[in-house]
Amino acid sequence: EAGVVQSPRYKIIEKKQPVAFWCNPISGHNTLYWYRQNLGQGPELLIRYENEEAVDDSQLPKDRFSAERLKGVDSTLKIQPAELGDSAVYLCASSPGGTAQETQYFGPGTRLLVL
Amino acid sequence: SQKIEQNSEALNIQEGKTATLTCNYTNYSPAYLQWYRQDPGRGPVFLLLIRENEKEKRKERLKVTFDTTLKQSLFHITASQPADSATYLCVPSGGYNKLIFGAGTRLAVHP
Repeated sequence: EAGVVQSPRYKIIEKKQPVAFWCNPISGHNTLYWYRQNLGQGPELLIRYENEEAVDDSQLPKDRFSAERLKGVDSTLKIQPAELGDSAVYLCASSPGGTAQETQYFGPGTRLLVL
Repeated sequence: SQKIEQNSEALNIQEGKTATLTCNYTNYSPAYLQWYRQDPGRGPVFLLLIRENEKEKRKERLKVTFDTTLKQSLFHITASQPADSATYLCVPSGGYNKLIFGAGTRLAVHP
């Protein structure tokens, strides 16, 4: 069974440029999560989807970050414009769906460097 | 606000010894607690989940305890091996509470 797929794996951009990350969850998983992880820290939840609906986006900086999961399958996270402080690893995870205590399956992450 | 504390210092132990990692949480009452392992450059991988009514959970060389009175979980790796070297993250969770990961404890097992 294929795991969570993320692309790109690495991205280097200059500040003020836009950037987008893509995630394809495990087939059949209704819940999708986007996290940001800074060096030496645990993952920080940005947004959680149940199918197409964003059920928790309280930690998403909405002035510059946006996300979508139009058909309830794959998802895109966008930053526009990027700032130096956005340099981090962006992780996508999925779970079968239903409750927050479920086991999450993580992708390898996208490492973003903003110069 | 909800807060999770894990040993911030790296834990260095000798191969064959038991590693014990601590997770303390404050300002909430999770019904579950999960432990994940993360290797450099990779996403976290689920290891164990323990429920609030379970005092202890085991899986092969891993053992997790959950003390809801102390608001603490202990994660043990017995007969540790260099391949166990990684960062271990705890995630108290439950229902639709906000998911918060601890910062993790880095474990280094030396031959």
